[in-house]
Amino acid sequence: DTEVTQTPKHLVMGMTNKKSLKCEQHMGHRAMYWYKQKAKKPPELMFVYSYEKLSINESVPSRFSPECPNSSLLNLHLHALQPEDSALYLCASSHPPGSGYEQYFGPGTRLTVT
Amino acid sequence: RKEVEQDPGPFNVPEGATVAFNCTYSNSASQSFFWYRQDCRKEPKLLMSVYSSGNEDGRFTAQLNRASQYISLLIRDSKLSDSATYLCVVPNQAGTALIFGKGTTLSVSS
Repeated sequence: DTEVTQTPKHLVMGMTNKKSLKCEQHMGHRAMYWYKQKAKKPPELMFVYSYEKLSINESVPSRFSPECPNSSLLNLHLHALQPEDSALYLCASSHPPGSGYEQYFGPGTRLTVT
Repeated sequence: RKEVEQDPGPFNVPEGATVAFNCTYSNSASQSFFWYRQDCRKEPKLLMSVYSSGNEDGRFTAQLNRASQYISLLIRDSKLSDSATYLCVVPNQAGTALIFGKGTTLSVSS
């Protein structure tokens, strides 16, 4: 059973819609991550939050807007997306920020942009 | 050398076989390495962490060769349920994020 939860599991949205993806972790971690994964490709890092502050933005288009309301929650706000943004969006968390610690993933949100 | 490089496979093996995957990495300063397993349309799940020369967990053994900058994953007595994509993961140069290899696909058949 994963201790990182994500909602919704599936999302279909039009290019003019605004929607949000939600992630919650119950592991006491202080780093949280958003990844995008296309079929048959590895996860691509989008954002890293460290102690609730944005520490890495991998040149992600502004139509993706992350938010970290507290140490357990991470949101990804979506607006004016393109069909090529259709993918599996994964949230992950880890102990103190840095790559020396294992990351644990949520089940993901499968997003389709029409 | 690419940051993380894996043989994509696929590796097709019968049940009971032993199979090994290799992964090379470029960051010689890396101190930790990970193998994740990902089933089709599911999230990656941590399989093993490697902090020193190697790690063993049941049928799975990970070995690290720092001199040659490669990590291997050995699976003994393969089961049908081992069929998945195996991702090699290492820290980036700055030590701020993890870099995922493209994955090696394993298919175990009866």
